[in-house]
Amino acid sequence: NAGVMQNPRHLVRRRGQEARLRCSPMKGHSHVYWYRQLPEEGLKFMVYLQKENIIDESGMPKERFSAEFPKEGPSILRIQQVVRGDSAAYFCASFFSTDTQYFGPGTRLTVL
Amino acid sequence: RKEVEQDPGPFNVPEGATVAFNCTYSNSASQSFFWYRQDCRKEPKLLMSVYSSGNEDGRFTAQLNRASQYISLLIRDSKLSDSATYLCVVTPSGGYNKLIFGAGTRLAVHP
Repeated sequence: NAGVMQNPRHLVRRRGQEARLRCSPMKGHSHVYWYRQLPEEGLKFMVYLQKENIIDESGMPKERFSAEFPKEGPSILRIQQVVRGDSAAYFCASFFSTDTQYFGPGTRLTVL
Repeated sequence: RKEVEQDPGPFNVPEGATVAFNCTYSNSASQSFFWYRQDCRKEPKLLMSVYSSGNEDGRFTAQLNRASQYISLLIRDSKLSDSATYLCVVTPSGGYNKLIFGAGTRLAVHP
């Protein structure tokens, strides 16, 4: 059973470009969380999605950030017009019905 | 005030030492409590859940004090492989499992 997969693992963008981060949850998991970890800080909750639904986006910045989890395919975290402050590690986690969230390896975004 | 606060560290200890980490949380309605381990530039991995009765897993012992809103982790007989950042994590009340992370405490075990 493959774990949570994220791609790309590393992403470099110039200021003003768009970043798309993908997360494939574990097989059978229909819940996905996205977290962001800024350098030297803990992980911060961004958004919680179920298939085709956004359940809680209270941690998402109000502008430029969006997330989706379509019926088919991976969950996507999209950052438009990236700025240097968006440089961080972005982790997704999936779970089925227990407390345990399984984390993907993360995508490290660098904005030049 | 941060929702979850931890000792800043770093803790530098010799192999075989016993080390304790502390954590406090601000929301008295928090539901679940965990310690995660994060190696450098890797994803966090669940170390253990924490219960009011205390729980032990080999060399690791975790304790929760709901009245004081305090969580602890004790590592006995430290190994070089224990070097990592330890993250205190809580979930809020409300029916689903959003994780609230502390900033982490770095542990370095040296020979």
